[in-house]
This record gives sequence, C-alpha cells and structure tokens, in this order.
Amino acid sequence: GDSVTQMEGPVTLSEEAFLTINCTYTATGYPSLFWYVQYPGEGLQLLLKATKADDKGSNKGFEATYRKETTSFHLEKGSVQVSDSAVYFCALSDPNYGGSQGNLIFGKGTKLSVKP
Amino acid sequence: DGGITQSPKYLFRKEGQNVTLSCEQNLNHDAMYWYRQDPGQGLRLIYYSQIVNDFQKGDIAEGYSVSREKKESFPLTVTSAQKNPTAFYLCASQQGYQPQHFGDGTRLSIL
Repeated sequence: GDSVTQMEGPVTLSEEAFLTINCTYTATGYPSLFWYVQYPGEGLQLLLKATKADDKGSNKGFEATYRKETTSFHLEKGSVQVSDSAVYFCALSDPNYGGSQGNLIFGKGTKLSVKP
Repeated sequence: DGGITQSPKYLFRKEGQNVTLSCEQNLNHDAMYWYRQDPGQGLRLIYYSQIVNDFQKGDIAEGYSVSREKKESFPLTVTSAQKNPTAFYLCASQQGYQPQHFGDGTRLSIL
C-alpha cells in the first residue's frame, strides 16, 4: 500500500543553517504531495504542496520539488530561524488508494529545533 | 474568519466512560476527518465523512464512533471499548482535492 518515509529526528540546527528533511514515498497512482508543519500544542498547517512531477512547492522560504524518478519530496530551507522550530510532516494524497479521495497518508514527522 | 474549531482543548476520561470530542467547521467543506496522533508517530485516520449522513471507517476505528448529522459538525466519541485512548486528536476538513484544513486538536488523558 501507499506509504511515506521521513528522516528520523530530532534535527537540531543553529540559526541561519541550511535545512534538508528527506521524504520518500510509495504510491500506486499519481499522488499529490504535501508538507505540513505543527507548532507545539497546535494542529497542522499546510506549508506547501505539489500536485504533479517536477512541480516545486514553496512558502515562507521553504521549498520542495516533486521528483517522480526518485519518489522523493525533500523539504529545504536556505537559512532557518528559531521560529521554524516545529514538527514537519510529509504527506501524500493518492486518488487511487481507495476510500476518500482526500485521504492523507502521513510520515511520522521530523522535529526541528533551531538554536540562536 | 473561517476555520475549524475543536473543543475542549483538554479532556479527561474516567475508566468505563464515553467522552465526545467536538469538531465544527464554517468553511462549507464537504469532507471531514478525525486523526489520532501519538508521540513520535504520524497521524492515523480514525473516521472520515465525505457527505452529511455518511461516514467511513479509517485505519483505527475500533473503540470510536462518529456522526455527521450536519455539514458543519463531525463529533467523535471515544468509547470505553478504546483501551488506550490517551492521545492528541485532530479534526480536519476538505473540499474536493484541496488540501485539508486542521483544527488545533484535543488532548485526551485518562484519570
């Protein structure tokens, strides 16, 4: 079945460091891919998305490119800030998976801590 | 502002008790979802509803029940049959293929 695999955390970086959080997926169809962010004690917020191969999603300095050949959707940011400290979830939505067309399949999340 | 409201923010359950978590949305979305989040884990789907008066089991529906009598409301009941209910519960809504919108969650603990 469909699945999402994220790099294990926690990830600890200094402010202004470069961030990469790896995400790979397995899907039977042509999924849409998402990154969500969860700040402490809150729900999830959509960070960015990509709906087809080679699409690049971007928001708030974060980017991720939908790579069908490597089944990947890695999250990157050139210079992280303390305010970026949160848990990041990679997710996919596969209309061929069955059930609700919008069902999201999540990775386990990667906790990012940014130190001043 | 449009959004999803979950209440209460914190909830405590006694042994053998059923508790109900509220989820209300004013986004006019057709689909609504309930997820469970455990520490260090991703989100797991409990139930979802694509239209009023219809809902489907997700991956971990045992010990839970839902209703969808109104478009804007999708309450989740955690029954006494759920032996390990301590978790963070998230409700989401969606329209078509647009991304899901999430509430701020309810943290359920056992007394």
